[in-house]
Amino acid sequence: DIQMTQSPSTLSASVGDRVTITCRASQSISSWLAWYQQKPGKAPKLLIYTASNLEVGVPSRFSGSGSGTEFTLTISSLQPDDFATYYCQQYHSYPFIFGPGTKVDIK
Amino acid sequence: EVQLVESGGGLVQPGGSLRLSCAVSGFTFSNYWMQWVRQAPGKGLVWVSRMNSDGSNTGYADSVKGRFTTSRDNARSVLYLQMNTLRVEDTAVYYCAREGYGPIDYWGQGTLVTVSS
Repeated sequence: DIQMTQSPSTLSASVGDRVTITCRASQSISSWLAWYQQKPGKAPKLLIYTASNLEVGVPSRFSGSGSGTEFTLTISSLQPDDFATYYCQQYHSYPFIFGPGTKVDIK
Repeated sequence: EVQLVESGGGLVQPGGSLRLSCAVSGFTFSNYWMQWVRQAPGKGLVWVSRMNSDGSNTGYADSVKGRFTTSRDNARSVLYLQMNTLRVEDTAVYYCAREGYGPIDYWGQGTLVTVSS
């Protein structure tokens, strides 16, 4: 099975900061990677698909990059609504493993 | 408006069974692959299963393979998750999800399954 890791596990940041989260796959998944945002008590929300494509309706301050085994999610200027937990997920092959998550909290 | 509404969660003893349902509306159910994802309290997301649009093909996480079965009724626009031989570690919120063009693009609100004696 493909294993997914994320770093950091927790990130403390301020409004306006540029934030970068890294997701690594244990083997190549090409660009078959998605990023989700989840707030407490809510279902996740799709942000990025196929590594770098912004889902409709998602603010342009979110961007994704990478291919193969290393991927990044960047928030160019952190907004109050962005404090949440972020997960990557590979959908290259079964099982469609999620990363362990990165919690972005207020510094 | 796309809606996915899970039901069927609750308290069950270890070794017991439960069937979750996910009623969908706002899109043509028979055109979409569907997934189940779960999340234990305070933990991360865990992929459970995936079913193709006509129900002929499924994939499962190793942790549920042989115990859980996903099925669907395209005429009624309902997705099911039959869960047998439940374990304490199956305790989680179970989300029904629509697969768009690869990733999950819509999620239900989730239903809580608690496995405890």
